[in-house]
Amino acid sequence: KNQVEQSPQSLIILEGKNCTLQCNYTVSPFSNLRWYKQDTGRGPVSLTIMTFSENTKSNGRYTATLDADTKQSSLHITASQLSDSASYICVARSGSSASKIIFGSGTRLSIRP
Amino acid sequence: DTAVSQTPKYLVTQMGNDKSIKCEQNLGHDTMYWYKQDSKKFLKIMFSYNNKELIINETVPNRFSPKSPDKAHLNLHINSLELGDSAVYFCASSQDPPNGGQETQYFGPGTRLLVL
Repeated sequence: KNQVEQSPQSLIILEGKNCTLQCNYTVSPFSNLRWYKQDTGRGPVSLTIMTFSENTKSNGRYTATLDADTKQSSLHITASQLSDSASYICVARSGSSASKIIFGSGTRLSIRP
Repeated sequence: DTAVSQTPKYLVTQMGNDKSIKCEQNLGHDTMYWYKQDSKKFLKIMFSYNNKELIINETVPNRFSPKSPDKAHLNLHINSLELGDSAVYFCASSQDPPNGGQETQYFGPGTRLLVL
C-alpha cells in the first residue's frame, strides 16, 4: 500500500534553533518526493523536489535529504524564524499520473520567540 | 495578484443541499486539480483535469463532479451534501504537459466547507 508517514506530529522550538523533520514513504514505483510548507489558512507551497538520483536539495534555510534505499527523507531547517511556523508536508509520487500523489499528514512546527 | 483563487472561502450548509466551489487560475496552466484535506490534515487528490483527460480518484463519490467552462476554471459541484463532506477543499494547477510528474502544483487558499 502506498503511504507516507511523518514524524514528529508536532514540534515546538525556540527562534534561531535548528530542527529536522522526518518522512518515511512506501511508494512504488517511486518517481519523486516533495516537501511543502502550509501556513495556517493557506494552501501548500512547494519547497523542494527530489528524484531517486538526488540525495540533497536546498532552498535557502531549508535542506531536504533523500535516501532511496531506506525510503526516508528529512527536512532540515536552519536558524529558524517565526515565519517558519507552519505545517510541513511530505509528498511522494509514483509515476506521472496525478492519481499517484501520496501526501503525509504533516508536521506542525511552532517557533517560539 | 493571486495565482490560484477559490470562492467562497467559507461555506456552511445543510445536509442534502447541492453546492459549488469555484476555482480560477491566471498562470496559464493546462492542468487543474481538486484536493480534500480532512480533519487529520491529510490531503487527498480528488480529480485532475486538463483539456484532454479527466482523472478521477476512484474513492471519490459520484456526488462530486468537476466542471470546467474553460482552461482557467475548474469548479467543484457537490450534490446531496453529507456530514462527512465537511473538510477544506483545495484547488491547484500545474503546467502541462507533465514533466514526468515533476511539475510544480500551485495551490489556492482553500474553501472551508461545514455541513450541518
